[in-house]
Amino acid sequence: AQSVTQPDIHITVSEGASLELRCNYSYGATPYLFWYVQSPGQGLQLLLKYFSGDTLVQGIKGFEAEFKRSQSSFNLRKPSVHWSDAAEYFCAVGAHYNQGGKLIFGQGTELSVKP
Amino acid sequence: DAGVIQSPRHEVTEMGQEVTLRCKPISGHDYLFWYRQTMMRGLELLIYFNNNVPIDDSGMPEDRFSAKMPNASFSTLKIQPSEPRDSAVYFCASSPEVKTNYGYTFGSGTRLTVV
Repeated sequence: AQSVTQPDIHITVSEGASLELRCNYSYGATPYLFWYVQSPGQGLQLLLKYFSGDTLVQGIKGFEAEFKRSQSSFNLRKPSVHWSDAAEYFCAVGAHYNQGGKLIFGQGTELSVKP
Repeated sequence: DAGVIQSPRHEVTEMGQEVTLRCKPISGHDYLFWYRQTMMRGLELLIYFNNNVPIDDSGMPEDRFSAKMPNASFSTLKIQPSEPRDSAVYFCASSPEVKTNYGYTFGSGTRLTVV
C-alpha cells in the first residue's frame, strides 16, 4: 500500500535561510510525487510534481524537489525562505493512473519563518 | 476559470442534523475527490469519482456519509445524522484525466462544526 511520511511536524527557519522539508514514501512501483502548500484557512496549492525523467523538479515560488529512488525520498528545498512561505506543506504520492489516480498525503510539516 | 468552488465555507449545525456540502469542479476535469482534514488524522480521502461514477468509497467513515455526483459540474457530500466527531474541514478537489496530466486543484474547503 502507498504511504507517505513527513518526519518533521514543525520547522522554524530564519528569513533568508535555506529550507529542506523531508518526505519519504512507500510504493511498489515508480510513484507520482507531489508537494502542496496550504496557507491558513485555504485549500491546498500544488507546488510541484514528479512523474518521470529529470529527478530534480522545479516548482512555483522558487521551490524545487529531488526524487531519490534509492532513498525513497522526495525532499522539498528552497535556497532562501521568505516570510510569506510560512504555511503547512504536504507531500503526496499518487498511484499509477490505471489504479485510479488517488493521492495519499503525508501528515504535513508546518513551517514558521523568523524575521 | 473560477477553480473548484465549495459551499458553504463554514457550517455550524447541531448534532443529529443533516448536513450537505457542495462542490463544483473545474469544467472538463474528469475526476472529483472528497477529502476530510483533521488535526488528528490529517488529510483523508473519503471518496472519488471518475466521469460522475463513484470509483472508491472505502474512505467513507460509515453509513452516515454519502456522496453523489449527478452531473459533471456538481457533487454533494451528505452527513445524516451529524455527530460532533464529524467536525473537520472538508475539501473537494478535481483533476483532469490522470494518464498524462495528473494534478489536483483543491477548493477552499468547508469548515464543519457539529455542536
